[in-house]
Amino acid sequence: EVQLVQSGAEVKKPGESLKISCKGTGYSFTNYWIAWVRQMPGKGLEWMGIIYPGDSDTRYSPSFQGQVTISADKSIRTAYLQWSSLKASDTAMYYCARPQGVGNWNDASDLWGQGTLVTVSS
Amino acid sequence: DIQMTQSPSTLSASVGDRVTITCRASQSISRWLAWYQQKPGKVPNLLIYQASTLESGVPSRFSGSGSGTEFTLTIGSLQPDDFATYYCQQYKSYWTFGQGTKVEIK
Repeated sequence: EVQLVQSGAEVKKPGESLKISCKGTGYSFTNYWIAWVRQMPGKGLEWMGIIYPGDSDTRYSPSFQGQVTISADKSIRTAYLQWSSLKASDTAMYYCARPQGVGNWNDASDLWGQGTLVTVSS
Repeated sequence: DIQMTQSPSTLSASVGDRVTITCRASQSISRWLAWYQQKPGKVPNLLIYQASTLESGVPSRFSGSGSGTEFTLTIGSLQPDDFATYYCQQYKSYWTFGQGTKVEIK
């Protein structure tokens, strides 16, 4: 089955680090970009950035550049989103999503992970 | 950056109504536009891509139109399962989402 499976919910304190994951199965993981999308409580969808696992080419939204790091390990078919120092304002649901087209970042997404809820609270 | 503006933010409608949601881009995006439906606590679901192409499995009451900077999503006859929030997304230059339109029961 073609799917993206994300790591489980996290509860962290401000200042802590965190790395969440997104594993792709059932398709050629290295040939499709993977995007990360944030949804804060009760709010809309925000594109954070995108990575091509084949060569780890990574692009960031200006709003998230320097705030997070996106990476991938193609040997285990997994993409990551990480923070070095969390803030309360990072509390949100985070989705990974795969654009439809092989090798295309400029495409709609027909495949989404189930989401990882990150809660940052003292 | 390309900005996407949806209207209205909230729409009250009844079962059987024809519903139209508008999305405007801050610059031309040709037809690089998608529409998603999201229900509370659920993952976004792709409805339409390339402005007017219906994703496989999506009911034909959903349709999309437009090009350049102005786009519409139309639900031909609103069904109980359609009460949800709808987002447009441009993918000409990376991704940008509209702020969402909540379709609620009148």
